Amino acid sequence: AQSVTQLDSHVSVSEGTPVLLRCNYSSSYSPSLFWYVQHPNKGLQLLLKYTSAATLVKGINGFEAEFKKSETSFHLTKPSAHMSDAAEYFCVVSAVYGNKLVFGAGTILRVKS
Amino acid sequence: GAVVSQHPSRVICKSGTSVKIECRSLDFQATTMFWYRQFPKQSLMLMATSNEGSKATYEQGVEKDKFLINHASLTLSTLTVTSAHPEDSSFYICSARGQAGPGYEQYFGPGTRLTVT
Repeated sequence: AQSVTQLDSHVSVSEGTPVLLRCNYSSSYSPSLFWYVQHPNKGLQLLLKYTSAATLVKGINGFEAEFKKSETSFHLTKPSAHMSDAAEYFCVVSAVYGNKLVFGAGTILRVKS
Repeated sequence: GAVVSQHPSRVICKSGTSVKIECRSLDFQATTMFWYRQFPKQSLMLMATSNEGSKATYEQGVEKDKFLINHASLTLSTLTVTSAHPEDSSFYICSARGQAGPGYEQYFGPGTRLTVT
């Protein structure tokens, strides 16, 4: 079975400072991992995905994530936060790419001016 | 990128009535569609998986007679909430997946907010 733990329910940063959203996963198989963002009253948008290729994955809007098998982690980072990054972020695991997705509880990112 | 639409975006209905939500893949053929439910301040929970032309597979605890899913074509799936009650009020999100290869990713619709009064 697969599961995802997002370690922080809320993260608050100042504009221009780095962002770190933490995610640990559990999977019986080689996992595929995703980060999605959800802005208020909007659909989910894929930020990036890991599917057993390079462990450092670059996504849209300057986000990136590193797959660390030894730590079972897939943390999301961004060097400099923008106000428009304020949203809810979901870490997602799938045992088989494109198959059933298991969502983490979400992390709400607040960006202060 | 692939686009998935949902209609309606918001719906309010009276208790005891039925509501139908449509999910369409606009620019690709979706062999599989997924229906999720999201309660306020909570994560998405998968309700069911539907493959075109076959019966949906429901997750444990989801009432198949209450949440009727039809996936009659490669671009359309519908979720009908039958005899809706206030506890069915939620945000319903669909996703669609194409065939193997680059289209294997799930693409999400914008969601439908259902309020049952």
